[in-house]
Amino acid sequence: AQKVTQAQTEISVVEKEDVTLDCVYETRDTTYYLFWYKQPPSGELVFLIRRNSFDEQNEISGRYSWNFQKSTSSFNFTITASQVVDSAVYFCALSEALCLNTGTASKLTFGTGTRLQVTL
Amino acid sequence: GAGVSQSPSNKVTEKGKDVELRCDPISGHTALYWYRQRLGQGLEFLIYFQGNSAPDKSGLPSDRFSAERTGESVSTLTIQRTQQEDSAVYLCASSLASPGVAGELFFGEGSRLTVL
Repeated sequence: AQKVTQAQTEISVVEKEDVTLDCVYETRDTTYYLFWYKQPPSGELVFLIRRNSFDEQNEISGRYSWNFQKSTSSFNFTITASQVVDSAVYFCALSEALCLNTGTASKLTFGTGTRLQVTL
Repeated sequence: GAGVSQSPSNKVTEKGKDVELRCDPISGHTALYWYRQRLGQGLEFLIYFQGNSAPDKSGLPSDRFSAERTGESVSTLTIQRTQQEDSAVYLCASSLASPGVAGELFFGEGSRLTVL
């Protein structure tokens, strides 16, 4: 069975601090996909990134960066120079390999989320 | 509209009543998902539809839960004989069927269900 663990329930930082959100996953699949989603106070989840299990290159997008380490089954998310607008609940998710016939991920298994509070 | 639309946004019902929650996916999105989010919890997968394929119902918690989808459009999640434990936000999401964007789900704002 697939499982995603986000051990940090809540993190509070002061604006401009760097913060790392941890994600550890379990799966028996050799091919899988990892995701991060953001849920701002407004409630609507927003996709941030997708990474497949064959691609262990770290990715940077502006102030966001992701560190995928297959050896430790982790997919951590770092926000550099955090801002108040980064305050949200962040979810890590895992899916099995794509259904090649349809090109979709049949279901994502989500972690319990990490609430990030950035204050001035 | 441009996004995933869910209705009602809020529903308060009495234990034992049936409820219907509706989801309008983004036009052209053939994949549709229902998730449940209990207060302070993560997202719990309920059901997945893809085109005309048989839906993946593996996440439905009991036979009181059912969902339908008409073609590649609207979906309805029905909960019969509601229980207090059904109180949650029910989230609908849709996505394109394309390997390049697989797993990139677009979520609605959810339907908050409160069972008294």
